[in-house]
Amino acid sequence: QKEVEQNSGPLSVPEGAIASLNCTYSDRVSQSFFWYRQYSGKSPELIMSIYSNGDKEDGRFTAQLNKASQYVSLLIRDSQPSDSATYLCAVNMQGAQKLVFGQGTRLTINP
Amino acid sequence: KAGVTQTPRYLIKTRGQQVTLSCSPISGHRSVSWYQQTPGQGLQFLFEYFSETQRNKGNFPGRFSGRQFSNSRSEMNVSTLELGDSALYLCASSLRGGTETQYFGPGTRLLVL
Repeated sequence: QKEVEQNSGPLSVPEGAIASLNCTYSDRVSQSFFWYRQYSGKSPELIMSIYSNGDKEDGRFTAQLNKASQYVSLLIRDSQPSDSATYLCAVNMQGAQKLVFGQGTRLTINP
Repeated sequence: KAGVTQTPRYLIKTRGQQVTLSCSPISGHRSVSWYQQTPGQGLQFLFEYFSETQRNKGNFPGRFSGRQFSNSRSEMNVSTLELGDSALYLCASSLRGGTETQYFGPGTRLLVL
């Protein structure tokens, strides 16, 4: 089992709809979780961090964390073509002092 | 505040050569992590430095090494380059590492011929 798993996609969503990205992780005691966006040929940029169970909202983005189910998700409301990118889920493994990344989900927003 | 900077941005080397990449973290950040990104393997952790000490290391051969200077700038070196070392090398910094948010630099794209 991979430490962090994401559906690689591609995920295609019409403009204005909600895009839902999912991630599961194997380390039950992980404490910090991150979503990064990466445009083709660019480096990852941070979208959201989440540390506690529940939802965290920032503009059009909502991160959801369920530690019991070892599941973290990212919702993008009112999707725009500029949201087309690869979204990387990253989990900080307890005590490991490192981020472990999923393979990323490629998201395409269709005008 | 300036972001993470990496030099050079692009490199072309031949097999057997060695290469040194440089990373300057965000001012005040003392933790620097290095990652290798390839289409097949995704983002893989190489190592992390904090206060000039390597605190953690990923599963890469000894040809990959790094160091950190007293001003928190970091370098990574790859010796005896192989074709498979062609990748985007990313540096990320955080205040103290651990569970903190990491901020990435633009990366160095290395092509080994």
